[in-house]
Amino acid sequence: DGGITQSPKYLFRKEGQNVTLSCEQNLNHDAMYWYRQDPGQGLRLIYYSQIVNDFQKGDIAEGYSVSREKKESFPLTVTSAQKNPTAFYLCASSIDQGRNTEAFFGQGTRLTVV
Amino acid sequence: AQKVTQAQTEISVVEKEDVTLDCVYETRDTTYYLFWYKQPPSGELVFLIRRNSFDEQNEISGRYSWNFQKSTSSFNFTITASQVVDSAVYFCALSERDTDKLIFGTGTRLQVFP
Repeated sequence: DGGITQSPKYLFRKEGQNVTLSCEQNLNHDAMYWYRQDPGQGLRLIYYSQIVNDFQKGDIAEGYSVSREKKESFPLTVTSAQKNPTAFYLCASSIDQGRNTEAFFGQGTRLTVV
Repeated sequence: AQKVTQAQTEISVVEKEDVTLDCVYETRDTTYYLFWYKQPPSGELVFLIRRNSFDEQNEISGRYSWNFQKSTSSFNFTITASQVVDSAVYFCALSERDTDKLIFGTGTRLQVFP
């Protein structure tokens, strides 16, 4: 079945460590996104990518980095510079940026800093 | 600036009651798109509906209906004869022309009790 796979589902990180969240899609979508969800704040855009080897910052990119070496993959690294990384992270994809099509979401990764 | 407001943080109803989730948006663009997503306890967001700014017709899909009113900048969602399986967090979102970036409201948690 086509879809978006995020791994791991739960992740624990010690302060000062970088950690990478995986996102893979087999929908042949061009655009991919990373959102952060905090209680009572909805979802906020971290980074997005329209094509391979290109990506743009969203509203809260500080302390995060991404890469898009393959169309299917868009990993997110939470660096030690992110001051409050504990949150629920959602990856999404859509057919093509600019068509205002619906986005499809993965099941999320819950990151906890211990 | 674009903004989506979901003033209802949490709603509780008893099964078979009708319930309306409110969504008010702000945008300076004349072409925009509105979305509703459902987030069940499993975490992923499930797409429910997409509506463009030129189509003000109300839409009905089974027990779900949507009322889009440009005059009041609202895109409300009604569930008729609610069921326990409708319990979830519901998000309203906005994207402007030529971008798939979604601006989310803070969500409304709906609890349907048997």
